[in-house]
Amino acid sequence: GAVVSQHPSWVICKSGTSVKIECRSLDFQATTMFWYRQFPKQSLMLMATSNEGSKATYEQGVEKDKFLINHASLTLSTLTVTSAHPEDSSFYICSARRTGNTDTQYFGPGTRLTVL
Amino acid sequence: TQLLEQSPQFLSIQEGENLTVYCNSSSVFSSLQWYRQEPGEGPVLLVTVVTGGEVKKLKRLTFQFGDARKDSSLHITAAQPGDTGLYLCAGRNTGFQKLVFGTGTRLLVSP
Repeated sequence: GAVVSQHPSWVICKSGTSVKIECRSLDFQATTMFWYRQFPKQSLMLMATSNEGSKATYEQGVEKDKFLINHASLTLSTLTVTSAHPEDSSFYICSARRTGNTDTQYFGPGTRLTVL
Repeated sequence: TQLLEQSPQFLSIQEGENLTVYCNSSSVFSSLQWYRQEPGEGPVLLVTVVTGGEVKKLKRLTFQFGDARKDSSLHITAAQPGDTGLYLCAGRNTGFQKLVFGTGTRLLVSP
C-alpha cells in the first residue's frame, strides 16, 4: 500500500514564529500533493495544490505569503506557516497522488499545530 | 464552489442498529469517495464509486452512487463501536485535480 507520512505529528509554537510541516510519500512518487486544514469537528478544507517543480495553486481566501508551500521533489512537499498566530492553530493534513494515477489520493496522518 | 452536504451531521446509536448517511450535491461528479477518520488521524479511504447507480459493499457497509452522479449514500448494517468516527464523502469532477469534501457525519456507536 501507499504510505504518506507527516512530520512533526504535533507542534506547539509561540506566536510570531514560523513552523514547517513535511509531507512525504514513502513508497511512491507523487507529482501532486494537497494540503488541507481541519478545524475541530469539521470537515477538511483544501488550502492548496502543490505540483512538483512549480508554484502551488492556492484556494480562494488562503494567503500564499502566510502558507508557503514547496514541492521540490517527487516525494516531499513542505508547508511553512509563517508568523504564526493563535488562529492558525489547526490540524493540517496532506495527501499525495501517485504519479500517473489521477483517482486516488493517499492521506497523511496529520499535524496538529498549536500556536500560543 | 461545489458543495457536498452530508446528513445527518451527527448520529448517536446503539450497537446493532442500522444507519444511513447521505451525501448530496447539485453538481455532477465523475467519481465519489467515502472516507472514515478517527480523532487525530488522517482520513482513510473506504470506497470509490464512479458509475451512476453503482452499489458497492464492504462487509457491513453498502455504498451507492446516485443515477445522476450527484449524490451518494452509505448504509451500515448492525453497527459496532468500532464504526465510530467521522465519515466524509468527497467528490471529484472531470478535469479537476482536487477533491471536494463533504461537511462530514460524526457517528457514535455505543455498546
